Amino acid sequence: AQSVAQPEDQVNVAEGNPLTVKCTYSVSGNPYLFWYVQYPNRGLQFLLKYITGDNLVKGSYGFEAEFNKSQTSFHLKKPSALVSDSALYFCAVRDFLRGSGNTGKLIFGQGTTLQVKP
Amino acid sequence: DAGVIQSPRHEVTEMGQEVTLRCKPISGHDYLFWYRQTMMRGLELLIYFNNNVPIDDSGMPEDRFSAKMPNASFSTLKIQPSEPRDSAVYFCASSPAQGWVSGNTIYFGEGSWLTVV
Repeated sequence: AQSVAQPEDQVNVAEGNPLTVKCTYSVSGNPYLFWYVQYPNRGLQFLLKYITGDNLVKGSYGFEAEFNKSQTSFHLKKPSALVSDSALYFCAVRDFLRGSGNTGKLIFGQGTTLQVKP
Repeated sequence: DAGVIQSPRHEVTEMGQEVTLRCKPISGHDYLFWYRQTMMRGLELLIYFNNNVPIDDSGMPEDRFSAKMPNASFSTLKIQPSEPRDSAVYFCASSPAQGWVSGNTIYFGEGSWLTVV
């Protein structure tokens, strides 16, 4: 079965410093990977995705993610954190069933709370 | 594009009452999802539809929960009777048809915040 893991419940970083939010995945076949962000009292917003091509994917709000096949990771990064980046971040992978193909749904990790302090 | 529209945004109801949550997906999207988010269990997929047909309802907690999609632009999630443990944020989401270009990007609504007292 497809799955993603976010090993950190919370990440703390000072404003202006680089940030990394970790995600590892387990899939059969080629992975389709996503990052979403949820600000307080809001829905999830799509940040970026990896489908194929360059391992470094650029997304919204200056975020990027690096796909690493050998380490089965898809870590979210930003060179310089802002206080406004403080939010809950979700990694997700497309579900895929052997013999049935793409099920159309995403499987989400448990989420990582990012706290950026001034 | 108006995005996924959910109503009501907030609802407080008494235990035993019927609750109906509504969703209008993004026009042209073939998939519709209902998720529930709680502190304890995180983000859970309850049910999803493809072209108005329920595909997987294995996440629906029990018979008190039901979901319908009578047409491509409307879906409901109903809880009858409601219980305090149903208190959560319920998200509706939609995505375009499968394809490597879309990569199944799912777009979420702002959620319906349900409190059952």
